[in-house]
Amino acid sequence: GESVGLHLPTLSVQEGDNSIINCAYSNSASDYFIWYKQESGKGPQFIIDIRSNMDKRQGQRVTVLLNKTVKHLSLQIAATQPGDSAVYFCAEEKDTGNQFYFGTGTSLTVIP
Amino acid sequence: DSGVTQTPKHLITATGQRVTLRCSPRSGDLSVYWYQQSLDQGLQFLIQYYNGEERAKGNILERFSAQQFPDLHSELNLSSLELGDSALYFCASSVDSDSNQPQHFGDGTRLSIL
Repeated sequence: GESVGLHLPTLSVQEGDNSIINCAYSNSASDYFIWYKQESGKGPQFIIDIRSNMDKRQGQRVTVLLNKTVKHLSLQIAATQPGDSAVYFCAEEKDTGNQFYFGTGTSLTVIP
Repeated sequence: DSGVTQTPKHLITATGQRVTLRCSPRSGDLSVYWYQQSLDQGLQFLIQYYNGEERAKGNILERFSAQQFPDLHSELNLSSLELGDSALYFCASSVDSDSNQPQHFGDGTRLSIL
């Protein structure tokens, strides 16, 4: 079965604060991970990815951290905005090539 | 806009019926993936096609089938529909079938079985 899980199903943050969304995975052989954002009525939107040879990657207002020792992935969103309200999924690539396990998602609500 | 187009956006039908969902991948992408997303569930991988050929199968029921055409668009056929098939169905595409590349998703087809 799927090996990706999320620590918290919901997260509420004040506008302007930083958000941290966590994800655990169980397959130590996984070497590629993606964070997706899904807004209501839309499909998952690619945010950022990271390969296992890295422990940190930054994008625009987002940072993904990978801790292979404890098999943990996190997404940090800086200066969270109302438009960041969505469900965030982490995805872990299976060892069979370009197939992914998806977590059940964390719902982020930004409070104005 | 991901560049992946899915039609129709909504589909309402009855139990026992058959429906076809359509997906056009991003320009240049050869690989297409189908997923099912039920209420409060994560994305469940159904099937993958690469350049017209089936590449991998996930949790796809025997009542479901798919194909990818020479122009690379794909169709997911769902037959003998049951109430439990009500879900969002997403298509995603990627450049090829190699590892370490993101999949880009369409906005899905919402299927409601009455």
